[in-house]
Amino acid sequence: KNEVEQSPQNLTAQEGEFITINCSYSVGISALHWLQQHPGGGIVSLFMLSSGKKKHGRLIATINIQEKHSSLHITASHPRDSAVYICAVKGDNAGNMLTFGGGTRLMVKP
Amino acid sequence: KAGVTQTPRYLIKTRGQQVTLSCSPISGHRSVSWYQQTPGQGLQFLFEYFSETQRNKGNFPGRFSGRQFSNSRSEMNVSTLELGDSALYLCASSSKPGQVSMNTEAFFGQGTRLTVV
Repeated sequence: KNEVEQSPQNLTAQEGEFITINCSYSVGISALHWLQQHPGGGIVSLFMLSSGKKKHGRLIATINIQEKHSSLHITASHPRDSAVYICAVKGDNAGNMLTFGGGTRLMVKP
Repeated sequence: KAGVTQTPRYLIKTRGQQVTLSCSPISGHRSVSWYQQTPGQGLQFLFEYFSETQRNKGNFPGRFSGRQFSNSRSEMNVSTLELGDSALYLCASSSKPGQVSMNTEAFFGQGTRLTVV
């Protein structure tokens, strides 16, 4: 079993829909990252969380440390949100080493 | 402020050759981490350097090595290339080394896509 599990693996949505991507992990962590990877390959760090909730524009990320679970929400989705979303956790004593989920491939159709 | 710069962006090598990839971190950042991304294994951590010292190493064979210079620029080297080394190699920089109580945001480069034929 992977230490970081994401669901769903693939997601297709219509423009305007509310989207949720889930991440569960099995290790103690000091931080969790949500990353966005566009087809060109470059990765953008969206959020870094260690507790609670963060919001940036139409993106919201939450984390429940007790349940070892995080969600990424996209409100009013748009075709430009189409990308792979990756959850990555930094272990309690892991330096900057990140352990990655398998990613969720999101396609938003106009 | 310039972002993380990786060169080259694309590279084609032959089995058995060696390759060197370069990463220039954001100005002022002293920590550089390297990752390999393949369709089968996803993203995996290779190693982290801070102040010219390797701090952490992932589960990769000795053919994969790296170093960091005094200006924080980092290089990774892969010797005796194998077909399975074909991947996107990503570099991330941050301002501080990872420690138990410190959570640092990492900034990623665009990656170097290596194809081994």
